[in-house]
Amino acid sequence: RKEVEQDPGPFNVPEGATVAFNCTYSNSASQSFFWYRQDCRKEPKLLMSVYSSGNEDGRFTAQLNRASQYISLLIRDSKLSDSATYLCVVNVGGGSYIPTFGRGTSLIVHP
Amino acid sequence: DADVTQTPRNRITKTGKRIMLECSQTKGHDRMYWYRQDPGLGLQLIYYSFDVKDINKGEISDGYSVSRQAQAKFSLSLESAIPNQTALYFCATSERGAFTDTQYFGPGTRLTVL
Repeated sequence: RKEVEQDPGPFNVPEGATVAFNCTYSNSASQSFFWYRQDCRKEPKLLMSVYSSGNEDGRFTAQLNRASQYISLLIRDSKLSDSATYLCVVNVGGGSYIPTFGRGTSLIVHP
Repeated sequence: DADVTQTPRNRITKTGKRIMLECSQTKGHDRMYWYRQDPGLGLQLIYYSFDVKDINKGEISDGYSVSRQAQAKFSLSLESAIPNQTALYFCATSERGAFTDTQYFGPGTRLTVL
């Protein structure tokens, strides 16, 4: 079982829709969590960190559920420019914080 | 100027050739990483370095070696390239700090091994 799992999608949604992705992780000792965005054939870029209490940045909301070992990303009022692959990243391992990437979830927002 | 740069950006080579990919950063970060990305497989960690004297293997280090020449430079070598090493390679940096290990990526090197 891969340590970090994501539904690859694609999620195909109209502009203005709300869409949510989940990411599950297997290591209960995981310490920190992130969502990255990757445009086609470009480098990943940090979208947001995920805090225990949940956090929001404009149209984006991230949640962490330690009991069930998953994180989520909610995008409200989707824009065409949100079309990308969203990578879940979990730092595992005691003190070393080696990142483990999920395979990504593809989002396509259409007019 | 970009904070993390990679050279070359694209490279086509033949089986058996030695290839070096270079990464430089101006962010002043201690930690540097090399990843490869294959379609549908996400990012896989090849090697990482937490400082100049610290080099560690990642999940797929076979067939690769690295050199950390300075805090700002981290090179990846393929001693004898093979076709299944065709991939997109990313270098990344991060700053030492608990719970704040955000990764900053270079633009990537697209390597094709014929």
